[in-house]
Amino acid sequence: QVQLVQSGAEVKKPGASVKVSCKASGYTFTNHYTHWVRQAPGQGPVWMGWINPNTGNTKFAQKFQGRVTLITDTSINTAYMELNNLRFDDTAVYYCARETTIIGVRAFDIWGQGTLVTVSS
Amino acid sequence: EIVLTQSPVTLSSSPGERATLSCRASQSVSSSDLAWYQQKPGQAPRLLIYRASSRATGIPDRFSGSGSGTDFTLTISRLEPEDFAVYYCQQYGSSQTFTFGPGTKVDI
Repeated sequence: QVQLVQSGAEVKKPGASVKVSCKASGYTFTNHYTHWVRQAPGQGPVWMGWINPNTGNTKFAQKFQGRVTLITDTSINTAYMELNNLRFDDTAVYYCARETTIIGVRAFDIWGQGTLVTVSS
Repeated sequence: EIVLTQSPVTLSSSPGERATLSCRASQSVSSSDLAWYQQKPGQAPRLLIYRASSRATGIPDRFSGSGSGTDFTLTISRLEPEDFAVYYCQQYGSSQTFTFGPGTKVDI
C-alpha cells in the first residue's frame, strides 16, 4: 500500500545535527513532491519545506532557511531531512508528507508516522 | 505571510451533534489552496478536505467544507465518537509556502 516510513526517534545535544529519513513505497516516488512538517509538543503543525524528487529543487520556510537540508535518493525512494545547529526548541515530532498530484491542489495526502527528535543537554 | 486563525479553540460537543469550525485568513486565499486535516493523539494529520470543499479519498460525507476569500468552514453534520480530535486548516500561499492554523479541538 501507499506509505511513508520514517526512521526512529533521536536524542541530540544542542548544537548537533539530526538527519531523518523517509522511505516511500506503493507509488512512483518521483511523481510527488515530498514535504517536511514539524510539530512541537501541544502545538500545531509547522511546514518546513519541500523537495521535488525529480529535480532536486527545494523550497524552505523562512524560519528554517539556512539550517535545514532536504535531499532524496531516488534509487531507494527515500527522502532525508537534516537540521543543523539544534536548539532546545527544535524538540518536536518531524513528519514527511506526500503532496497530492490532484491538478491545482497543494495539500498533503500521505504522511509518515513521525519521528520524535528530542534536544537535551 | 498569510496568518490563519481558527475558532473556537475548543468545541465541546456530544455524539450526534453538528460541529461548525471556522478558519479565517489574514488576507484573501484562493479556495483551491485551502485544506483541512484531522489529527488524533499520537497520529499524523489526515487530509479531510482539499480545494476548500472537496472530500479526500475515503472521507465520510458527514464532513463538508465551504467558504471563500478569508472565511472558511468545516462542518461535521453528526459527530461520531471517532470524530473527537484536533482539526487544522492549511493554506498554500503565493510564495510557494504553506501555513497551518493553530487548530480547533473537538471534545466531549
